[in-house]
Amino acid sequence: DTGVSQNPRHKITKRGQNVTFRCDPISEHNRLYWYRQTLGQGPEFLTYFQNEAQLEKSRLLSDRFSAERPKGSFSTLEIQRTEQGDSAMYLCASSLELAGGYYNEQFFGPGTRLTVL
Amino acid sequence: KNEVEQSPQNLTAQEGEFITINCSYSVGISALHWLQQHPGGGIVSLFMLSSGKKKHGRLIATINIQEKHSSLHITASHPRDSAVYICAVRDFGNEKLTFGTGTRLTIIP
Repeated sequence: DTGVSQNPRHKITKRGQNVTFRCDPISEHNRLYWYRQTLGQGPEFLTYFQNEAQLEKSRLLSDRFSAERPKGSFSTLEIQRTEQGDSAMYLCASSLELAGGYYNEQFFGPGTRLTVL
Repeated sequence: KNEVEQSPQNLTAQEGEFITINCSYSVGISALHWLQQHPGGGIVSLFMLSSGKKKHGRLIATINIQEKHSSLHITASHPRDSAVYICAVRDFGNEKLTFGTGTRLTIIP
């Protein structure tokens, strides 16, 4: 396994278009996280999944954003009717959470850089 | 909400210098991460710690739980260490990470 992968790496779109990003986590990892990072800032949490269940969503995730992890493996993040303010790096991370709440570190993917014109 | 602050925001040093990057947070945490981000965006996890000190090669991370403060040290810095270093914390009972804005480190040959 080569780690967390994200596709595409770069996406340029026009305002109003829909875009979809994909994240493939490390295969045995049951937790998957999406973050957004704007220029010059640290990443901000968007949402996370435990297997296929979406357990938490940030208020940053407006109604135009939807994330899925249908089989508990890969995840998709869709942005509808993109706006220029959506331009950012979208990062995915995964981790293996064990019974008893033992916390393991998160492994990050390379990110998808979105530019909305 | 935990407030995470890093200092300095930018740091330029000569090759070989000892580097220290600081991170402070406002609320008690279950874990703190130090992350490295190179141009192009990919993030690499350097350390995860909840107490004491960890060392990996030329990198050392320390945390003082009482003072809510962590430091990342780089010994014998090298131009390939040039990157953005990000501190992130996980609150108790919370699954998400809260990130600092990062420290941009540039090592000049």
